[in-house]
Amino acid sequence: LAKTTQPISMDSYEGQEVNITCSHNNIATNDYITWYQQFPSQGPRFIIQGYKTKVTNEVASLFIPADRKSSTLSLPRVSLSDTAVYYCLVGDTSNTGKLIFGQGTTLQVKP
Amino acid sequence: GAVVSQHPSRVICKSGTSVKIECRSLDFQATTMFWYRQFPKQSLMLMATSNEGSKATYEQGVEKDKFLINHASLTLSTLTVTSAHPEDSSFYICSAYQAGGGRYNEQFFGPGTRLTVL
Repeated sequence: LAKTTQPISMDSYEGQEVNITCSHNNIATNDYITWYQQFPSQGPRFIIQGYKTKVTNEVASLFIPADRKSSTLSLPRVSLSDTAVYYCLVGDTSNTGKLIFGQGTTLQVKP
Repeated sequence: GAVVSQHPSRVICKSGTSVKIECRSLDFQATTMFWYRQFPKQSLMLMATSNEGSKATYEQGVEKDKFLINHASLTLSTLTVTSAHPEDSSFYICSAYQAGGGRYNEQFFGPGTRLTVL
């Protein structure tokens, strides 16, 4: 499983767009990129997943450049309730289910 | 999304006692269940992988005799912390995975169990 590197923490204000970038230089051809969100004292929950280019859902967008060595999670117009830890994970398509969590990025949204 | 429950949500016990934590997938049959431990301000650490009807696979450094995992059915896995000590105090989280789902390796996480050993 490829190693990922994210900023430890980020601050933002309500209404702003937040972009969290994750580096995964050793990503393999079969690897996909997944982001999870975790609130304090809760289990993580899936946000978005992608393989290349851009993926968008009702919660976020995921931008993946052509070389796939990094990815950026974009949260539009954050609110206080988006304060959480965001984890970037890289895994292959073997469908074993196994995930290895890195350090994550603690996002603090201020009023 | 699929729902995973854990019970209890919080437990306080005396040193030397054993504690059992249940993890249930409420609306789907899980191919695999995973157990994680999370210390304050730290990331989730995978402890073991559990498949129904077979022995759990433990990650390096995790004592299998201390953290007993039973996966009795496709919807229930239990983690028993035997002879718990204060250093076992942590947030324990389970997750359930169903092969062939729409997203690769998507896990559905339980709400976690806060264990405090006095």
